[in-house]
Amino acid sequence: DTGVSQDPRHKITKRGQNVTFRCDPISEHNRLYWYRQTLGQGPEFLTYFQNEAQLEKSRLLSDRFSAERPKGSFSTLEIQRTEQGDSAMYLCASSRIGPGLAGGIPSYEQYFGPGTRLTVT
Amino acid sequence: GIQVEQSPPDLILQEGANSTLRCNFSDSVNNLQWFHQNPWGQLINLFYIPSGTKQNGRLSATTVATERYSLLYISSSQTTDSGVYFCAVERAAGNKLTFGGGTRVLVKP
Repeated sequence: DTGVSQDPRHKITKRGQNVTFRCDPISEHNRLYWYRQTLGQGPEFLTYFQNEAQLEKSRLLSDRFSAERPKGSFSTLEIQRTEQGDSAMYLCASSRIGPGLAGGIPSYEQYFGPGTRLTVT
Repeated sequence: GIQVEQSPPDLILQEGANSTLRCNFSDSVNNLQWFHQNPWGQLINLFYIPSGTKQNGRLSATTVATERYSLLYISSSQTTDSGVYFCAVERAAGNKLTFGGGTRVLVKP
């Protein structure tokens, strides 16, 4: 189990540019979540997928944000025309919904990746 | 939406001291998780505890779902315990987590 991975770890961009982040979930996990965390605050929910279906989007996810999970494995989060207010840590998490593995008890525990820190100058 | 409040917001401890962090939530929940965020921003899972009591080394947690609160106990604190502790709740299985504002802990040697 390699854990949730995110790429890049850091991104500095100029206002108005587009950026794309990638998240690779834990391999047997079918749910994938995106959160955003600004300095001194707790993470806030953006959106989540079950397999390739996007099930919920927060009102924080403006028209400039789009997320995809085309094959139900990795996911991308794109921000178009970045603004300074987009500067934050973008966190990805995954979990497994369904019967427990190998007949075990189901757990919906979410596991987080290391995050992508975005700075918009 | 559901509200999650953590107290205290900041905590300074002398190494070796014990402490209790509290998480209150405003509605019934399906899941509650405690995390420790390290200085690099990584959220580390501590407990998945929708109800009852669990222990892991010097840490333990108790959730009283009927009274809508959870407690995280740190015993014999060490400097490596420093960081931010978050409580997060989930209204329905597999849905989004709603986080509290965190408790910032500093353990002094």
